[in-house]
Amino acid sequence: QITLRESGPALVKPTQALTLTCTFSGFSLSSSGMCVTWVRQPPGKAPEWLARIDWDGDKYYNKFLKTRLTISKDTSRNQVVLALTNVDPGDTATYYCARIRASGWAAEDWGQGILVTVPS
Amino acid sequence: QSALTQPASVSGSPGQSLTIYCTGSTSDIGGYNYVSWYRQYPGEAPKLLIYDVTNRASGVSHLVSGSKSGNTAFLTISGLQSEDEADYYCGSYTSSGNLLWVFGGGTKLTVL
Repeated sequence: QITLRESGPALVKPTQALTLTCTFSGFSLSSSGMCVTWVRQPPGKAPEWLARIDWDGDKYYNKFLKTRLTISKDTSRNQVVLALTNVDPGDTATYYCARIRASGWAAEDWGQGILVTVPS
Repeated sequence: QSALTQPASVSGSPGQSLTIYCTGSTSDIGGYNYVSWYRQYPGEAPKLLIYDVTNRASGVSHLVSGSKSGNTAFLTISGLQSEDEADYYCGSYTSSGNLLWVFGGGTKLTVL
C-alpha cells in the first residue's frame, strides 16, 4: 500500500521560509520511473503545480516560482522536501505531495495535504 | 487564470451521462497524450480517474472514460450517481515554457 504524508508548519509569517516534508511508504524513489511532485491548492481554487523530483535526481520547477522553490529527496528516509522562500499571503494554500506514475504526468497517489496559512 | 479551460459547472440527473470538456492548446492537450483527470470531494485530496488521455486509474469505474479531439480533452461519466457530485480537474503536460504541468480551473458537477 502506497501512502504519502505532508508535514510542516500550519502558519508562516510573511517573508519567512516554508519547509514541507513529504514522507512516503510503499515505494522507493530510487526505483526507475518513480517521481514525486508537489501541488498546491489555494482555498476554493484549482490546483497549481510546483515542482517534481525524479528517481534519477532530475528536478523540474514551476518557473514562475523557480527562484523561491527548492525540491530535494532523501531516498534512505523516504522523504521529499519542498522549500519555499520569502512567503506572502498569496502562498496560502493546501500543499499536497503526490507520486507520479511511471515517469508520466499523472499523480496516482496523493497525501492528505497540509493547509499552510500566511497572514497578511 | 488557468491554462486549461473547463466549464465552471455541469449538472445532470441520476442515470444520465455527462461530459466535461477541457480546452487547451497545441502546447499541451493537442501536442501530447499526457492528459489526466481528477475528482475531488470537499476537504479531500484529488483522486486520479484518467491518465494518458484514455486510461482508467486502478479501481476506477468503467462508467468513467476519457478522450481527446484536437486541443480539447473530455471526461465522460455514464450512469450518474449521487457520489459523482464533486469537483473535477483536468491536467496536462505542457511545453509552454514556464510550466511543465498545468491544471484546468475545475468543474463542479451537481447531481440533481
